[in-house]
Amino acid sequence: AQSVTQPDIHITVSEGASLELRCNYSYGATPYLFWYVQSPGQGLQLLLKYFSGDTLVQGIKGFEAEFKRSQSSFNLRKPSVHWSDAAEYFCAVVITSGTYKYIFGTGTRLKVLA
Amino acid sequence: DSGVTQTPKHLITATGQRVTLRCSPRSGDLSVYWYQQSLDQGLQFLIQYYNGEERAKGNILERFSAQQFPDLHSELNLSSLELGDSALYFCASSVAGGSEQFFGPGTRLTVL
Repeated sequence: AQSVTQPDIHITVSEGASLELRCNYSYGATPYLFWYVQSPGQGLQLLLKYFSGDTLVQGIKGFEAEFKRSQSSFNLRKPSVHWSDAAEYFCAVVITSGTYKYIFGTGTRLKVLA
Repeated sequence: DSGVTQTPKHLITATGQRVTLRCSPRSGDLSVYWYQQSLDQGLQFLIQYYNGEERAKGNILERFSAQQFPDLHSELNLSSLELGDSALYFCASSVAGGSEQFFGPGTRLTVL
């Protein structure tokens, strides 16, 4: 069955440190891939997306993600984390099986230490 | 601001009651999606509409129903409410299937 896995439920980093959030998917073909961020009490905001082409995609707020087909991964990275990045991050995929099916990961909650 | 609006922002009601949540998608978006987010279940897809027609169903209970109207706004109806229905309910819209979704601010439902 198709699935999205975010293996880290919680991650804590110090401000200024680099960040990598992991996302793996299970699907026979290349899905569309997204990362969303959710601040407390807010809706989800799109950070970046991958449909095809260059496997390194740039997003808002200084985030980037790299699609690796061989690893079925789409990890999110940021070189230097800011305190305002503390939030929950969701990876999502869209697969085509007659219709478009959106699957969200369970999320990774990021805590940033001053 | 995503352009997706949801009303009300907060809703407090009692068990056994029925409520209606409303969503207006971004201008031009034909697809509307409903999600439930709770602490123990995470973000759960409920149902999708495209241009007035139901397109996909997720983990939506039989007590819940939704519809999308000709002006493309959507309503999610929750009936015979139980304590466990307390959650954040999000609406999202997209211009077409497969494209990125834009999320509204959510409706926080509390069932007492």
